[in-house]
Amino acid sequence: GENVEQHPSTLSVQEGDSAVIKCTYSDSASNYFPWYKQELGKRPQLIIDIRSNVGEKKDQRIAVTLNKTAKHFSLHITETQPEDSAVYFCAARMNTGFQKLVFGTGTRLLVSP
Amino acid sequence: DAGVIQSPRHEVTEMGQEVTLRCKPISGHDYLFWYRQTMMRGLELLIYFNNNVPIDDSGMPEDRFSAKMPNASFSTLKIQPSEPRDSAVYFCASLGGTGTEQFFGPGTRLTVL
Repeated sequence: GENVEQHPSTLSVQEGDSAVIKCTYSDSASNYFPWYKQELGKRPQLIIDIRSNVGEKKDQRIAVTLNKTAKHFSLHITETQPEDSAVYFCAARMNTGFQKLVFGTGTRLLVSP
Repeated sequence: DAGVIQSPRHEVTEMGQEVTLRCKPISGHDYLFWYRQTMMRGLELLIYFNNNVPIDDSGMPEDRFSAKMPNASFSTLKIQPSEPRDSAVYFCASLGGTGTEQFFGPGTRLTVL
């Protein structure tokens, strides 16, 4: 089955810096890669996603890149702000016709003012 | 729409007791997922349903766990008997068949003493 590894487990940056979180997946059949943000005590919420037929997607300060050959994808946050502090999860979905997501272990991002 | 609704939000029980967690998906969504979140194991998929039918229950830890979806607007996750290691936050999520985003409920924080 699919396995998703996520690094780093914690990331501390200064406000205004960029943050990069990386994930690798094992199954080349995976075709959909979402990123979820979970604030303390809250539910995970989708912030951006990318399909396997696209190499990069951007939404304001966040972007995701996908390298299918290497089977890895990354989340990039520019001009970080304190409200970006949260746990970020990557996930992968296999191209089986079903909707099962396999999540990474999460990255705790702390943005210091 | 009120989003995915879960109840109770918090549950404290004693070891050996039966626990029932409830979920109401977003109206019209035909996928429903049950996840468990702990610090040690992250976000784990327990089971998911499509059109009220269980599709994949490979994540259910053991026979003490069971899940049902008697109709399109209601699902339960039952633990009997409960054990301290079942303490976690349990999330329910739903997805519309034509979409890709899983919408999470607020979660149920379960503490088994």
